[in-house]
Amino acid sequence: DADVTQTPRNRITKTGKRIMLECSQTKGHDRMYWYRQDPGLGLRLIYYSFDVKDINKGEISDGYSVSRQAQAKFSLSLESAIPNQTALYFCATSDPGQAPGGQYFGPGTRLTVL
Amino acid sequence: SQQGEEDPQALSIQEGENATMNCSYKTSINNLQWYRQNSGRGLVHLILIRSNEREKHSGRLRVTLDTSKKSSSLLITASRAADTASYFCATDKTGANNLFFGTGTRLTVIP
Repeated sequence: DADVTQTPRNRITKTGKRIMLECSQTKGHDRMYWYRQDPGLGLRLIYYSFDVKDINKGEISDGYSVSRQAQAKFSLSLESAIPNQTALYFCATSDPGQAPGGQYFGPGTRLTVL
Repeated sequence: SQQGEEDPQALSIQEGENATMNCSYKTSINNLQWYRQNSGRGLVHLILIRSNEREKHSGRLRVTLDTSKKSSSLLITASRAADTASYFCATDKTGANNLFFGTGTRLTVIP
């Protein structure tokens, strides 16, 4: 079973709709992240959380909100989706105390806003 | 803004050849990481090099880091068709709590 899972994997929605993307992990990591990827722009950080009570904005948090329901679950919401939020969204986890280091990524959610 | 920039943006080589990708960054770092992404899929962590290290190896991968030039390179030796993917560098900036990703190098290995 995958260590980091994301649901849904694909979603098409309309402008103005509220959307929730969910992420679950079985790695036991405290740190979780949400990124979006646009063609030619690499990954940009939306929000990150270092534990259940710690939520931080990333580079591009406007238009998004998050909820850390448990150590293993971190959800991303688009309150009122707009077309320029069409992108590939990734959840990731990390534990800086574990070798070899780095972040572990989910398979991604492809979101299309019409 | 992006912290790292990879060069070249795209690279096409024959199977068996070596592939070299470069990454430049702007500020001081704790470490630099390389990731691989197959088309449309999640990123996979390849290797991490700390700011006090100059070279690191993992299988067919060799990473160098020059903090004076704020640059890193990733060398993949004896490339295989299965190495075809995008490769990203990511920097763990001093004083920051998250990674900053570059825009990636698209590697194509021709069988």
